[in-house]
Amino acid sequence: SAVISQKPSRDICQRGTSLTIQCQVDSQVTMMFWYRQQPGQSLTLIATANQGSEATYESGFVIDKFPISRPNLTFSTLTVSNMSPEDSSIYLCSVEDRRGGYTFGSGTRLTVV
Amino acid sequence: AQTVTQSQPEMSVQEAETVTLSCTYDTSENNYYLFWYKQPPSRQMILVIRQEAYKQQNATENRFSVNFQKAAKSFSLKISDSQLGDTAMYFCAFRGAGGTSYGKLTFGQGTILTVHP
Repeated sequence: SAVISQKPSRDICQRGTSLTIQCQVDSQVTMMFWYRQQPGQSLTLIATANQGSEATYESGFVIDKFPISRPNLTFSTLTVSNMSPEDSSIYLCSVEDRRGGYTFGSGTRLTVV
Repeated sequence: AQTVTQSQPEMSVQEAETVTLSCTYDTSENNYYLFWYKQPPSRQMILVIRQEAYKQQNATENRFSVNFQKAAKSFSLKISDSQLGDTAMYFCAFRGAGGTSYGKLTFGQGTILTVHP
């Protein structure tokens, strides 16, 4: 299975600022997925990042709030912009593995104060 | 749109016993994939088991097995010989096989499983 390095593992940020989360995969992958997990909740897909094209956002998520970069087939970033306390969540990236399942990064626990 | 429902917010089991977690889903697709993921307090998402809808045989992975009932759209997870390390949140997830749902996972609400010594 692919191995994903996700950074940072956690951060505490001031409201109104932005945080960029990075995911590095040890193999080339076509699609990378970004999820949000609000406290005590399930995972919700934010967007799908394809190399060479703009990310595809799910309903309720917009590019201005969650800009995504995908400069190559092994790397992606998600930025949480103009943060408010409601953005406090765990953010995870994911890729499909060769067995047909999905591998996840270790997650970024974001707290906005 | 697909939906995944886990009706058991919390479950508990004694060590070495067997426990079954429930999951139902709704979809109009005929071909799809179903997963169970485990999320321990470390928050790392770990794939437990995977089932392709076109396979009638239920998937098994060591102590973990599923009861896949396609007509009933049911996908339960059975954990045998429960161990303390099985304590975690368990998520049922659905993935469509093509079209706009390709690659996207839809998760259930999760079931917190506690294994007691």
